[in-house]
Amino acid sequence: QKEVEQNSGPLSVPEGAIASLNCTYSDRGSQSFFWYRQYSGKSPELIMSIYSNGDKEDGRFTAQLNKASQYVSLLIRDSQPSDSATYLCAVNINFGNEKLTFGTGTRLTIIP
Amino acid sequence: GAVVSQHPSWVICKSGTSVKIECRSLDFQATTMFWYRQFPKQSLMLMATSNEGSKATYEQGVEKDKFLINHASLTLSTLTVTSAHPEDSSFYICSARRDRGTLHFGNGTRLTVT
Repeated sequence: QKEVEQNSGPLSVPEGAIASLNCTYSDRGSQSFFWYRQYSGKSPELIMSIYSNGDKEDGRFTAQLNKASQYVSLLIRDSQPSDSATYLCAVNINFGNEKLTFGTGTRLTIIP
Repeated sequence: GAVVSQHPSWVICKSGTSVKIECRSLDFQATTMFWYRQFPKQSLMLMATSNEGSKATYEQGVEKDKFLINHASLTLSTLTVTSAHPEDSSFYICSARRDRGTLHFGNGTRLTVT
């Protein structure tokens, strides 16, 4: 079993709709969770971080964490064509340990 | 703006030569930096953890004598790919931690070995 799993996609969403990206992780001791966006040929950029169960909202983005189910998701409201990218879920086990384990990413395409 | 600077952004070299990639933290000190490698359509794979003033910690399967890491100051880490081969062609990305748990990535270096 992979440590961090994501559906590779591609996921196609109409412009203006909600895009939902999912991620599961295997290590129950994982403490912090991140979503990165990566455009083709570019390095990842941080979109959201979440540490506690529940929802965390930042603009059009909402991260959801459920540690009991070992599941973290990212919702993108009012999807824009510029949101088309690969979204990487990343997890680390301990605070202070910056070593991140990445999922393979979900390729998202927003259809105008 | 960028908090981590990586140079060069791309490089082409001949098989058997060595290539050095620099990673700098801008306006903050980074005692730890991380080097990742990403092959096309694959995820980021951690190669090694660079520690200022001490030896780097390599992940399993990464040859430390081939991928030399030097972290001589609190703002600079370098990765040297020695005796490069075509299979080393990849996207190399460094990162540094600025706040708790938040990693910022450099812009990456596209290495092509011919």
